[in-house]
Amino acid sequence: LAKTTQPISMDSYEGQEVNITCSHNNIATNDYITWYQQFPSQGPRFIIQGYKTKVTNEVASLFIPADRKSSTLSLPRVSLSDTAVYYCLVGDGFSGGYNKLIFGAGTRLAVHP
Amino acid sequence: DAGVIQSPRHEVTEMGQEVTLRCKPISGHDYLFWYRQTMMRGLELLIYFNNNVPIDDSGMPEDRFSAKMPNASFSTLKIQPSEPRDSAVYFCASSSLETQYFGPGTRLLVL
Repeated sequence: LAKTTQPISMDSYEGQEVNITCSHNNIATNDYITWYQQFPSQGPRFIIQGYKTKVTNEVASLFIPADRKSSTLSLPRVSLSDTAVYYCLVGDGFSGGYNKLIFGAGTRLAVHP
Repeated sequence: DAGVIQSPRHEVTEMGQEVTLRCKPISGHDYLFWYRQTMMRGLELLIYFNNNVPIDDSGMPEDRFSAKMPNASFSTLKIQPSEPRDSAVYFCASSSLETQYFGPGTRLLVL
């Protein structure tokens, strides 16, 4: 199992860039890195997924160094509505089994006015 | 697409009663997942199906829990008998590849 470690909580202000780093030292060759966002009283929502280098979509960017032992989710210019819990998952559910994709405690991001 | 649909959204029952949670996955998705979320244990995978067949149920807490998927568009999670410690939010999710799409959840309270 690729264990992940991410900060329990973070605080930011509107308009700032937020970077949440996840450590996954024992990531396997076939593992992907996936980030989900969860608002209170809702199910988790997919944000972004990557394997190496950098991935960008309309919501966020994901930076993965060459050794893939960590990854950083970058949220540009956050707003109050970005207040949520962010989960980093590492694994290959499709081939390795979804039971090995662990959500963990996540990072609770609070965005302040 | 309407997304993953779960019912009921809220359920309050008494200890010992049978509880049935329902899920309709996104059309075309061949994986279906049942999760449970509590403050103490976070989000836990209970069981998942591929093409209506249970693949891994190692997360199911005990024999009181059972899940079925009679067809590609419907699944149930049943708790019989229910206990107060089963109180949680139960999420259903579906996927076709790596990305899982979650439903709104069923908030269960067992008194």
